[in-house]
Parts: sequence; structure tokens; C-alpha cells
Amino acid sequence: DTAVSQTPKYLVTQMGNDKSIKCEQNLGHDTMYWYKQDSKKFLKIMFSYNNKELIINETVPNRFSPKSPDKAHLNLHINSLELGDSAVYFCASSREGGRGAFFGQGTRLTVV
Amino acid sequence: AQKITQTQPGMFVQEKEAVTLDCTYDTSDPSYGLFWYKQPSSGEMIFLIYQGSYDQQNATEGRYSLNFQKARKSANLVISASQLGDSAMYFCAMREAQDNFNKFYFGSGTKLNVKP
Repeated sequence: DTAVSQTPKYLVTQMGNDKSIKCEQNLGHDTMYWYKQDSKKFLKIMFSYNNKELIINETVPNRFSPKSPDKAHLNLHINSLELGDSAVYFCASSREGGRGAFFGQGTRLTVV
Repeated sequence: AQKITQTQPGMFVQEKEAVTLDCTYDTSDPSYGLFWYKQPSSGEMIFLIYQGSYDQQNATEGRYSLNFQKARKSANLVISASQLGDSAMYFCAMREAQDNFNKFYFGSGTKLNVKP
């Protein structure tokens, strides 16, 4: 069983569309994250949730809205997609105060 | 200031040799954790090794060891007996108590190529 799974793996869409990326973890972790990896491979945190509560929002445009229906899920909805949103989006989870974060396989979003 | 600095954009190593990937960090928090991740060309992020700021000994996980020099604020990854499958991007990361450990800061990565 995959520990952190996110879908879809690839997403190609037109500018202006709205899309969602889903993430689920079966590790029993308290904290979940969304990271964005740009074309230069730089990883930057977007959001962090702890027990369904938003903890960190790193100056992400409000077109991006995370939703955590329960501790095991953290979905990312993006409105009015722009070309600059093209990137790989990673979901991750970790135990509170724990060691490493475990990442999903990433979603490659391409906006055309 | 950058929290994590990786000064080697790319490295080459001969198969079966050891290689050191550099990482320096910047924090005033006495409690923090340091991590290394591997990202192969397939794209997934694989957790390799962890070092806590209060750990007395350097962390080791199989062929991976972390050379933790607290006074220098460095956390270099040493890969012994390199294998072709070690070719990948490697990221150093840190989380701090002041963020309640809720945020990982990543370096810019080092691309390692293992030559046969």
C-alpha cells in the first residue's frame, strides 16, 4: 500500500480552468503539506495542516485553496489556472515532532 | 538569509567510490532536525536520513551517513560505495522547533551522477 498517494500524476489543462489534486496518507500522521517544485527543482512549502487545521500558508495566491476533510486527506484546489502555475506539486505527511516527511509521487501540472 | 545552502549544483563520482554532498544550514533555534532526500529521475522524493540537533552521534542508514558538524552548521551526506542507482538529485532539508516543526526548508539540490 502506498503511504502517501496523490492523484492525478499528470494534469494538463488550459489557462483559466479550475482543477483539483487529491492527497491521502495511510500513515496515521498528524501533519500534511503541499509543496511546489519549480522548473529549477526548487521546493517551496505552500501549506501545512495539523489535525485538519491550517498551520502555515506561505503567501500563496488565494486561487489556491487547500481542504482537509480529515486527518488523512489534504486536497488542493486551484482556480483560474495561470501559465506560471505549471510545476510539480508534492503532497507530504509527517508525525508531529517526528522525523522525516513522506512524500507522494508528485503531480506534474502543465498549464497551456 | 537562506536556511539551507547546497553549493554543489552537480557532482560526478566513480562507481564504488564514496562521495560527500555538502549542506550548510542557518538557524538560531537550538532544536531542529536535518534531513536528506533523494529524487531520482522518476520524480518521487525518497527520505534517506535524519539528524536531530541534540543527537550526539552522526546518523547512519546503510550506505548513507550524515557528517554533522554543529559548530560549523554543516550536515554533509556521505554515500559510500556509490552505485549507478544513486544517480539522482539530492536535497538537504531542515525543520525547526520555532515553527513547531511544521515546515521543512529545502536546499536547491545537488545532482549526482555516478559513472560506471
